[in-house]
Amino acid sequence: DAGITQSPRHKVTETGTPVTLRCHQTENHRYMYWYRQDPGHGLRLIHYSYGVKDTDKGEVSDGYSVSRSKTEDFLLTLESATSSQTSVYFCAISVRGQGAMGTEAFFGQGTRLTVV
Amino acid sequence: SQQGEEDPQALSIQEGENATMNCSYKTSINNLQWYRQNSGRGLVHLILIRSNEREKHSGRLRVTLDTSKKSSSLLITASRAADTASYFCATVANTGNQFYFGTGTSLTVIP
Repeated sequence: DAGITQSPRHKVTETGTPVTLRCHQTENHRYMYWYRQDPGHGLRLIHYSYGVKDTDKGEVSDGYSVSRSKTEDFLLTLESATSSQTSVYFCAISVRGQGAMGTEAFFGQGTRLTVV
Repeated sequence: SQQGEEDPQALSIQEGENATMNCSYKTSINNLQWYRQNSGRGLVHLILIRSNEREKHSGRLRVTLDTSKKSSSLLITASRAADTASYFCATVANTGNQFYFGTGTSLTVIP
């Protein structure tokens, strides 16, 4: 599992509240990613990071922000949760410091978020 | 969207049969990858094929890539009940550092 831990694994929150999901890795890989998985949509990239304080938007970044103050931690924040953000969230890393070029992604176990 | 699409969305076969699933994508790629996801778990990498390769094998897996048609196929031979899972293709563009995943094929192998 490349030493990836997501927390929490499950969360129920109310509409309008902020929520932060954490992804922690133990192997100091440079590239980290946040995806959401929804039926019929597969996995869609929210944000990714290519180093400390270096982040970029993915396909579905609206309503989400990220921070990476340490190599090992990549945080995803839902600034004001909405029901449309009910989903399973996956963190991933790529190894060898090349981003996605010629290397695979390793995934965490996922966080199931329900916004009521 | 740069997402690929898998076809079929769902596939049900008997144990011992071969399973074939296809992936179509939209942009030029550096490589294409296939992943497997068991229910309630994260994705696990299966195989990577580069844009200059046409076919690759790994155990019971065979992947083909046709860049002119922007498509790939994953063949699982002699399927087992343990192969029951969802399978996703992911593309990596030459210009980016992202993995773009398809919508997945749900495979059920009946013992």
